[in-house]
Amino acid sequence: DGGITQSPKYLFRKEGQNVTLSCEQNLNHDAMYWYRQDPGQGLRLIYYSQIVNDFQKGDIAEGYSVSREKKESFPLTVTSAQKNPTAFYLCASSKRSGTDNNEQFFGPGTRLTVL
Amino acid sequence: AQSVTQPDIHITVSEGASLELRCNYSYGATPYLFWYVQSPGQGLQLLLKYFSGDTLVQGIKGFEAEFKRSQSSFNLRKPSVHWSDAAEYFCAVGSGTYKYIFGTGTRLKVLA
Repeated sequence: DGGITQSPKYLFRKEGQNVTLSCEQNLNHDAMYWYRQDPGQGLRLIYYSQIVNDFQKGDIAEGYSVSREKKESFPLTVTSAQKNPTAFYLCASSKRSGTDNNEQFFGPGTRLTVL
Repeated sequence: AQSVTQPDIHITVSEGASLELRCNYSYGATPYLFWYVQSPGQGLQLLLKYFSGDTLVQGIKGFEAEFKRSQSSFNLRKPSVHWSDAAEYFCAVGSGTYKYIFGTGTRLKVLA
């Protein structure tokens, strides 16, 4: 089955620690995205990548970093600089950005809690 | 600036009743419009999308939505709600590029 996997499903972190969230897709999609979801705020874009070895900041990139070394993988690191990291993180992918049929497919999410 | 408004934070309907979830958008050009559904603790699943053509769009799970340009709306409807439809629903607008703008969601509760 093609799809997007995110791991772990639940993640706990102590303040001051960096943590990396995994996102893998086997849909052969070029574009990948990271969103943050907080109650009552919808989804906000953190970073996106249109192609391997390239990525751009979204609306709330401060305190986060990403890499895109492989087409299938787009890990997100939540750094200690992120002031309020407790949230639900969603990874998504699409065939290409900038095309008509760029429907985004979502992974199951990772819930990060800072203790 | 692009924006999406879902004016109803919570909606409660009885099983078997009809449903309409509202979505209004602000966008300068022809938008791409989407409705997603999210069960608790899960990712988002696409219900339907509008890019062009027929303004009444059919989706999965018996949902449909109608694009009304004059009202800047893209409301989601279902004629008869099932208990399994209880979830959170998100409207989104895209411009054909990477960026989607999501509404804040409407949480649907279904009474038996």
